[in-house]
Amino acid sequence: DIQMTQSPSSLSASVGDRVTITCRASQGISNYLAWYQQKPGRVPKLLIYAASTLQSGVPPRFSGSDSGTDFTLTITTLQPEDVATYYCQNYKSAPLTFGGGTKVEIK
Amino acid sequence: EVQLLQSGGGLIQPGGSLRLSCSASGFTFSNYAMTWVRQAPGKGLEWVSGISGGGGTTSSADSVKGRFTISRDNSKNTLYLQMNSLRAGDAAIYYCAKHAGYTFGKYYLDHWGQGTLVTVSS
Repeated sequence: DIQMTQSPSSLSASVGDRVTITCRASQGISNYLAWYQQKPGRVPKLLIYAASTLQSGVPPRFSGSDSGTDFTLTITTLQPEDVATYYCQNYKSAPLTFGGGTKVEIK
Repeated sequence: EVQLLQSGGGLIQPGGSLRLSCSASGFTFSNYAMTWVRQAPGKGLEWVSGISGGGGTTSSADSVKGRFTISRDNSKNTLYLQMNSLRAGDAAIYYCAKHAGYTFGKYYLDHWGQGTLVTVSS
């Protein structure tokens, strides 16, 4: 099975800061990588798919990139409404494993 | 508008069985793979099972293999998860989710149901 290692597990940043979350796949998954945002008490929401394609309606301050088996989610200017837990997911093949999540808080 | 309306959760004793349902609307159900994802209290997301659009291909996580069965009735636009031999470790919010294509591999999850809570306790 493909393991997805996400880091950090939590972070605290100020409004306006640039935030970077990393996800590493244990083997190659091409660009079959999605990022989801889950706000407290809410349902997960798709942010990015194919490693770097922004889902319709998602603010452009969110972006994704990849380099081999390393994937990055960047929030260019953190906003209060971005407080959430972010998950990466491998969707190349079953089992469709998720990373452990990164909890983002405002400092 | 895509809608996924879940039902069937609740309190069940260890060793018991429960069936979750996910009623879909707003899209051609049979054209899209579907998946179940769960989230234990205070924990992360765990993929449980996936099924192709036609229902002919399924897969499950090792943690539920042999106990949970995913199925779908495309005539009723409904996805199911039959859960048998439930354990305390199965307690979680269960989400159904729609894939962006016919197979559960190669397609991400673009819509999620509201979630249903399963509690396993005596």
